[in-house]
Amino acid sequence: GAVVSQHPSRVICKSGTSVKIECRSLDFQATTMFWYRQFPKQSLMLMATSNEGSKATYEQGVEKDKFLINHASLTLSTLTVTSAHPEDSSFYICSAIPLIGDYGYTFGSGTRLTVV
Amino acid sequence: AQKITQTQPGMFVQEKEAVTLDCTYDTSDPSYGLFWYKQPSSGEMIFLIYQGSYDQQNATEGRYSLNFQKARKSANLVISASQLGDSAMYFCARGGKLIFGQGTELSVKP
Repeated sequence: GAVVSQHPSRVICKSGTSVKIECRSLDFQATTMFWYRQFPKQSLMLMATSNEGSKATYEQGVEKDKFLINHASLTLSTLTVTSAHPEDSSFYICSAIPLIGDYGYTFGSGTRLTVV
Repeated sequence: AQKITQTQPGMFVQEKEAVTLDCTYDTSDPSYGLFWYKQPSSGEMIFLIYQGSYDQQNATEGRYSLNFQKARKSANLVISASQLGDSAMYFCARGGKLIFGQGTELSVKP
């Protein structure tokens, strides 16, 4: 089956530093990847949609300069949280749609970010 | 814009009984189907079931079934014979950009 590997699973960083989260499709090519953010006991909020080779499309209210998304290849998308602050602490999770095949949406295992 | 609504923040069910989790959608685009996911405390998203918008019959997957009523724009998840391991968050989502509802926290009582 389709697998998306997301790393790191947990990260603690100091306020003001940047953190990069990777999502890699292991056995398929992902034409589109979605990035979500989830606070405890809340829903997954779509942050942005990334397509390989083009700029990401951000949802309203999401700061594109703070949450940098790069989808440089059909198997890798990255989310960089720049100048992180404690309020950026959250659960971040990606989802990928295959270029071909009917796997549907495949999710990474998520990254729990804590900014101290 | 599409909106997915789950009106039950929390639900309790006795082990071995059936439970229905509600989901309604509001969208002008009828082409996308509906998904249900389970999210245990670990955070992983587990795909449960999918209903295509043009499917004539309700989807079923083992103990999971969908009560899909297109006219009412609802796609309720029915879990039969609940198990303790079913305790988790459950999310309904609409295809396309995969927008999620607020979620329902299901607790199964022994």
